[in-house]
Amino acid sequence: KNEVEQSPQNLTAQEGEFITINCSYSVGISALHWLQQHPGGGIVSLFMLSSGKKKHGRLIATINIQEKHSSLHITASHPRDSAVYICAVRYGTDKLIFGTGTRLQVFP
Amino acid sequence: DTEVTQTPKHLVMGMTNKKSLKCEQHMGHRAMYWYKQKAKKPPELMFVYSYEKLSINESVPSRFSPECPNSSLLNLHLHALQPEDSALYLCASSQWTGSSEAFFGQGTRLTVV
Repeated sequence: KNEVEQSPQNLTAQEGEFITINCSYSVGISALHWLQQHPGGGIVSLFMLSSGKKKHGRLIATINIQEKHSSLHITASHPRDSAVYICAVRYGTDKLIFGTGTRLQVFP
Repeated sequence: DTEVTQTPKHLVMGMTNKKSLKCEQHMGHRAMYWYKQKAKKPPELMFVYSYEKLSINESVPSRFSPECPNSSLLNLHLHALQPEDSALYLCASSQWTGSSEAFFGQGTRLTVV
């Protein structure tokens, strides 16, 4: 069982829709990362959170430490948002444990 | 400069070849990582270097040999690989290990024939 669970695994949306991707983890963490991976492989770091909420453009990330849960929201989604979104957690060591990813496709 | 640069982007090698993957960053980061990613799977950690010293080896076979010659450079030497080693190899760096943000390279897509 993966220590980091993401849902949904696959998500399709129409352009303009509000999108939510969820991430749950099992034990206390020092930080949670949201990453974006486009076809071709490169990974871009979107957010690093240890508490609260962060916003960057149309992206919002929240984390609830007590519930061990984080969400990534995309407002006014666009086809260029199509990618795999990965939640990764750090348990205060050198390791970053990755979730299985959410494959998002946004259609015009 | 917030880039992690990996070369080559693509590599095809035979099972008897010796090749190296290179990763470079100029952000002053002191932690660098190698990950292996198979298709439609999350990245799996292979090695972590902290202050140019190997701090984690995730039981990676010895045909993969990491090297950190200085704080900006991380190599992965490959020898006698198997076809199942074909994957995307990702390098990442962070200011230090622990809670700092990680920056990833574009990856090297390796095919072993």
